[in-house]
Amino acid sequence: EIVLTQSPGTLSLSPGERATLSCRASQTVSSTYLAWYQHKPGQAPRLLIYGASSRATGIPDRFSGSGSGTDFTLTISRLEPEDFAVYFCQQYGSSPKTFGQGTKVEIK
Amino acid sequence: EVQLLESGGGLVQPGGSLRLSCAASGFMSNNFAMSWVRQAPGKGLQWVSSINSVGSNTYYADSVKDRFTISRDNSKNTLYLQMNSLRADDTAVYYCARFSPCGGDCPFDYWGQGTLVTVSS
Repeated sequence: EIVLTQSPGTLSLSPGERATLSCRASQTVSSTYLAWYQHKPGQAPRLLIYGASSRATGIPDRFSGSGSGTDFTLTISRLEPEDFAVYFCQQYGSSPKTFGQGTKVEIK
Repeated sequence: EVQLLESGGGLVQPGGSLRLSCAASGFMSNNFAMSWVRQAPGKGLQWVSSINSVGSNTYYADSVKDRFTISRDNSKNTLYLQMNSLRADDTAVYYCARFSPCGGDCPFDYWGQGTLVTVSS
């Protein structure tokens, strides 16, 4: 199975700063099949990005995804207070579908 | 508004059984494949099982194969997960999730808030 490793584990930033999150795969992932989700405690996870770079419906343009092959990045251009959460990546092109362990973006 | 609401979690002894339900609203569930995903304490997310829109095809992670059964009742807009022979390492928050209708391999476009299953004596 494809193992996804996210880094850093925790990112401490202030509102207005730029956040860069990494997701590295143990094998090549078709760029069509990489997603990013946001998860806040007690809430349902929320799809942000699919196909490595396409924003899901209603997602603000401060969220962007990039990458190909084994290295993918989620960028939040300017952190808003509501963006502090856990973010995880997922590859959905190979079985079993696998997830990264998550990056927590916390307020500095 | 699309909503997924899980229920049925709780404390169960090792070797016991539990049935989770996921009530869907805001969309016709018979048009969408669905899945269960879990997150053990301090761990990442793990895909558990999936079922196609009409319930004719099911898929399982190796760790739950032959112990868990996914099913659905589209007349009730409800997804189920029957969990038997539960083990301590099945302890997790269980989420139901909807596959987006992208055609082919798709991400999950909606998730529930999860239900906690604790397997302990």
